[in-house]
Amino acid sequence: AQSVTQLDSHVSVSEGTPVLLRCNYSSSYSPSLFWYVQHPNKGLQLLLKYTSAATLVKGINGFEAEFKKSETSFHLTKPSAHMSDAAEYFCVVSDTNTGNQFYFGTGTSLTVIP
Amino acid sequence: GAVVSQHPSRVICKSGTSVKIECRSLDFQATTMFWYRQFPKQSLMLMATSNEGSKATYEQGVEKDKFLINHASLTLSTLTVTSAHPEDSSFYICSARDLYLSSSYNEQFFGPGTRLTVL
Repeated sequence: AQSVTQLDSHVSVSEGTPVLLRCNYSSSYSPSLFWYVQHPNKGLQLLLKYTSAATLVKGINGFEAEFKKSETSFHLTKPSAHMSDAAEYFCVVSDTNTGNQFYFGTGTSLTVIP
Repeated sequence: GAVVSQHPSRVICKSGTSVKIECRSLDFQATTMFWYRQFPKQSLMLMATSNEGSKATYEQGVEKDKFLINHASLTLSTLTVTSAHPEDSSFYICSARDLYLSSSYNEQFFGPGTRLTVL
């Protein structure tokens, strides 16, 4: 069975400092992993995805994530936070065999302090 | 590419009325669409999976007679909330898969969401 745990419900960083949003997953098969961002009252925007290619995945807006199978982790990072990064972030796991259902984490709210 | 739209973006209705929300894939064929519900400051909850030309598959606890889903074409799925009540007020988000684009096989493309308020 698939599941996702986002270890922090809320993260605060100062503008210009690094961002780390943690995600651990559980999957019976080879997983596909995604990070989405949601701004208030908006839909979800894909930041990046891992689908069994390179373990270090680069996404939009300077974000990247590293797939670590031994740690069952897929943490999201950014070297320098921008005010516009303040939003809700969701880690998602999907089963590559069916590619059908998404399993969402509970979300991490990122606050960027000026 | 891979754009999903939803209409309306916001709707307010009276208790007891029905509301229809449309989800369209604008530039690809979506054989499968998904409907999610999101409560304030919470994650997305999958309500149902909608396959073109067949009946939707509902998640446990979701009333199929209350949340009617129709996926009549490869670009359109609709969610109708029947006899809406205040507790149905929520943010509804659809997503779609493009099975013909191999690079996005496992990806879902999300619509912008519909805010439903039932008075």
